[in-house]
Amino acid sequence: ETGVTQTPRHLVMGMTNKKSLKCEQHLGHNAMYWYKQSAKKPLELMFVYNFKEQTENNSVPSRFSPECPNSSHLFLHLHTLQPEDSALYLCASSHRGSSGLYNEQFFGPGTRLTVL
Amino acid sequence: AQTVTQSQPEMSVQEAETVTLSCTYDTSESDYYLFWYKQPPSRQMILVIRQEAYKQQNATENRFSVNFQKAAKSFSLKISDSQLGDAAMYFCAYRSSYNNNDMRFGAGTRLTVKP
Repeated sequence: ETGVTQTPRHLVMGMTNKKSLKCEQHLGHNAMYWYKQSAKKPLELMFVYNFKEQTENNSVPSRFSPECPNSSHLFLHLHTLQPEDSALYLCASSHRGSSGLYNEQFFGPGTRLTVL
Repeated sequence: AQTVTQSQPEMSVQEAETVTLSCTYDTSESDYYLFWYKQPPSRQMILVIRQEAYKQQNATENRFSVNFQKAAKSFSLKISDSQLGDAAMYFCAYRSSYNNNDMRFGAGTRLTVKP
């Protein structure tokens, strides 16, 4: 148990559905991340939030919409997805120290998303 | 851009034996961090070991140690006295000291431990 939880663990949705993934961290961290993990490919960083502000958006299609209401919660809103979006979506968090450097990231268990 | 390469998609080791997982990376930076993460079948990724590039001494955590060769840009993970619970996907990761939100991962190595 890393202190980062994700719900749901599994999600099956049609291309016209709207759904949301939720991530919560209980570690007091101030940065949160969304990654996409596809089979036999490196993890792809999607979004980064520092102190609730989005600081990175790695050319992610607009059908993925992140939301960070506070430092402990992160959402990924999904709409009109494509079958190629099927993957494991991982949330992570880390803490920015007084030096300004971020320590290692702690990961949640992921949401296995299948788009039909 | 930094890239991380794990050239071994799958590895296998006998229980109690030693195995080494390879990782190379490409960067023009002089200061950075390297990590090995483990992702068991339950999927939660956990940190195994980390190495700061400015440190010459190789990091060690119990049965896990690294061989960090900065000039060669190589960062291999050695697992000694392998246990069944070591079976997992192992990911090598690079993080810049300058943009340290951005962590780059390799494609992973699936380690099987045979009893």
